[in-house]
Amino acid sequence: EIVMTQSPATLSVSPGERATLSCRASQSVSTKLAWYQQKPGQAPRLLIYDTSTRATGIPARFSGSGSGTEFTLSISSLQSEDFAVYYCQQYNKWPPRLTFGGGTKVEIK
Amino acid sequence: EVQLVESGGGLVQSGGSLRLSCAASEFPFSTYPMSWIRQAPGKGLEWVSIISTSGADTYYADSVKGRFTISRDNSKNTLYLQMNSLRAEDTAIYYCVGGGFRDWFDPWGQGTLVTVSS
Repeated sequence: EIVMTQSPATLSVSPGERATLSCRASQSVSTKLAWYQQKPGQAPRLLIYDTSTRATGIPARFSGSGSGTEFTLSISSLQSEDFAVYYCQQYNKWPPRLTFGGGTKVEIK
Repeated sequence: EVQLVESGGGLVQSGGSLRLSCAASEFPFSTYPMSWIRQAPGKGLEWVSIISTSGADTYYADSVKGRFTISRDNSKNTLYLQMNSLRAEDTAIYYCVGGGFRDWFDPWGQGTLVTVSS
């Protein structure tokens, strides 16, 4: 199983500042990585797939980068609606053994 | 608007069974692999199972293999998860989700809560 490790567990950021979230895979997942946002009481929402492609309707302030085992989600100029938990997920393994990171909570500083 | 609506959750005793359903609308259900993903209270996301578009291929997380069965009825645009021999650790919100066969998960349903009492 590919283990996904996210850091930090909690990130305190002021509105308008930049947030950088990390995700590390225990083995290479190429660029088969997605990011999701989850707000309290809601289902997760796809933000980014294939490491860097924004999903439909996702603002340009969200960007993803990386390859292999190291990945980053950046949120430039945090808005109030961006405070949430973010999960990374790999989909490189076959047969499917789809795994998520433990999440990073972005909170208001 | 795409909708995936889960139902069938509830309270069940350890060792019992439940069948979850997920009804899709405004969504090309028959062309999407479908998955179940769960989230224990206050915890992260765990992939549970996936089924191919035809239903011929199914895969499971080790934690549920042999106890859960995923299926689909493309004529009814509905996904199912039969859960047997339930354990306290199966307590979670279960999400019905599109995708997962070498790709990302989208869209997501709102989830249904399964509580297993010991």
